[in-house]
Amino acid sequence: GNSVTQMEGPVTLSEEAFLTINCTYTATGYPSLFWYVQYPGEGLQLLLKATKADDKGSNKGFEATYRKETTSFHLEKGSVQVSDSAVYFCALEMDSSYKLIFGSGTRLLVRP
Amino acid sequence: SAVISQKPSRDICQRGTSLTIQCQVDSQVTMMFWYRQQPGQSLTLIATANQGSEATYESGFVIDKFPISRPNLTFSTLTVSNMSPEDSSIYLCSVEDRKGSRADGYGYTFGSGTRLTVV
Repeated sequence: GNSVTQMEGPVTLSEEAFLTINCTYTATGYPSLFWYVQYPGEGLQLLLKATKADDKGSNKGFEATYRKETTSFHLEKGSVQVSDSAVYFCALEMDSSYKLIFGSGTRLLVRP
Repeated sequence: SAVISQKPSRDICQRGTSLTIQCQVDSQVTMMFWYRQQPGQSLTLIATANQGSEATYESGFVIDKFPISRPNLTFSTLTVSNMSPEDSSIYLCSVEDRKGSRADGYGYTFGSGTRLTVV
């Protein structure tokens, strides 16, 4: 079946460090891919998305590129801030399914 | 994007009782979704709620345990019935953000969640 695998956390970085959170997927077709962020005590917010191969989603300095050949959608940011501390979820949606399949989430802790 | 108000934000309940969670959206939406996030785990879709029809439940979830109402296009409730400690989770509602075209890839907006503890 369709699934999403994320690197386990927590990931602890110093401010201004480079961030990569790995995400790979298994899907029978061509899904849309998403990154969601959950700040402490809040609901999920859409961070970025990509709908087809080689698309790059970007928002708030975060980027992720839809790589069909490696079935990956890794999240990157060049310089993290303390305010980026949150849990990040990678997710996929198959065509017209209206059903998001989430990875297990990766907790990021950024220290000053 | 849509703004979702979900309540209660948290509750502690006795086993065997039921809790109803409310989700209010500031715009009309066709479909609303209910998710469960068990402690330390990811989100799992419970059901999809369409106005004017029965909710569609995912494998492993049944209407008797999680009855859903959808009386209009801006409101839905999820009830967690006959609760046990295993029902302790965060429950979230979600709607689709219909901006642009489907080809652009709709996103989904989530409520802030209801943290349920069953004792």
